[in-house]
Amino acid sequence: DGGITQSPKYLFRKEGQNVTLSCEQNLNHDAMYWYRQDPGQGLRLIYYSQIVNDFQKGDIAEGYSVSREKKESFPLTVTSAQKNPTAFYLCASSAGAGGNQPQHFGDGTRLSIL
Amino acid sequence: AQSVTQLDSHVSVSEGTPVLLRCNYSSSYSPSLFWYVQHPNKGLQLLLKYTSAATLVKGINGFEAEFKKSETSFHLTKPSAHMSDAAEYFCVVSDFADGLTFGKGTHLIIQP
Repeated sequence: DGGITQSPKYLFRKEGQNVTLSCEQNLNHDAMYWYRQDPGQGLRLIYYSQIVNDFQKGDIAEGYSVSREKKESFPLTVTSAQKNPTAFYLCASSAGAGGNQPQHFGDGTRLSIL
Repeated sequence: AQSVTQLDSHVSVSEGTPVLLRCNYSSSYSPSLFWYVQHPNKGLQLLLKYTSAATLVKGINGFEAEFKKSETSFHLTKPSAHMSDAAEYFCVVSDFADGLTFGKGTHLIIQP
């Protein structure tokens, strides 16, 4: 079955540590996205990529970094500069970046501070 | 800039009764509109989408939504609630200029 796989499901970060969240898709989608979800806040866009080797900042990119070396993969690194990283992180993909393309979501990674 | 407002943060209905989740939007262009559902600790699943075809859109699990341009609304309905419908629901607006904008969500509670 085609879909999006996020790993790990739960992740803990120590002070001053960078952590990387994995996102892999086998839908052959060009566009991929990372969102942060906090209770009562809806989803906020961190980064997105419309094509391999290219990505753009979203609304809350500070303290995060991404790469897009392969079409299937879009890992997110939460750096030590992100002072409030505790949240639920969702990865999504779509066939294109056009406004009428629905996004398909993974099951998320929950990040907590130790 | 576009925006979306989900008018109720929580909605509680009895099993077997109708469901109404309200969504208003604002967009300078002809938007696409989506409803997604999220169960606890899961990703978002697409329920239905409107992309300028029929104004009454049917989705999965018996849900449907009506696009009303004059009221800038896209409310989600279901004739008869089931216990498995308990979840968080998100209304999403999208146009070519601003990408996707998510509402803050409506928590649907189903009373037995």
